[in-house]
Amino acid sequence: DVKVTQSSRYLVKRTGEKVFLECVQDMDHENMFWYRQDPGLGLRLIYFSYDVKMKEKGDIPEGYSVSREKKERFSLILESASTNQTSMYLCASSFFRSSYEQYFGPGTRLTVT
Amino acid sequence: SQQGEEDPQALSIQEGENATMNCSYKTSINNLQWYRQNSGRGLVHLILIRSNEREKHSGRLRVTLDTSKKSSSLLITASRAADTASYFCATVLELIFGTGTRLQVFP
Repeated sequence: DVKVTQSSRYLVKRTGEKVFLECVQDMDHENMFWYRQDPGLGLRLIYFSYDVKMKEKGDIPEGYSVSREKKERFSLILESASTNQTSMYLCASSFFRSSYEQYFGPGTRLTVT
Repeated sequence: SQQGEEDPQALSIQEGENATMNCSYKTSINNLQWYRQNSGRGLVHLILIRSNEREKHSGRLRVTLDTSKKSSSLLITASRAADTASYFCATVLELIFGTGTRLQVFP
């Protein structure tokens, strides 16, 4: 079975802190994605990557950056956390460009105080 | 940008009944996918229907797609309490998810 793991289930950070969210997948998927999920807004794509060292902006990249140094690992970075970044963050991976099912991690619920 | 819009936003039924959820989208698609999310967890892929398909079945799930109306429906037959979850449609070309339908199945 495909497994996508995220480094933390719950995280509490202070405003202004630099935050790293890690995602690892074990199925050699080319594509990896970061979403945030907020009530009433569904899932919104932050960034995605189709290959190592490659990244593309999604719908809401402002305030975030990403890093993909290895194929299996995709990191989401909040350079200076703000309270409006309090959310559930979901990582996903898939084969092929946008065409196939995505496998999701369990999510990280981030609270910025 | 929001592409898929699920309807209804919330649905409560008794065990054994059927549950139908609808999804409307705005642009052209290659395929449409349905996902389930149990409370506070990641999403699990349920079924994918391609743009040239009209209906697809998987176990108790039945998905229809009407590209002329830009809409899809997910039918869960003989629902169980374990089906209680939020259900999302997602459209491809662009990776855009809807806001979801929250299904509650009472035993």
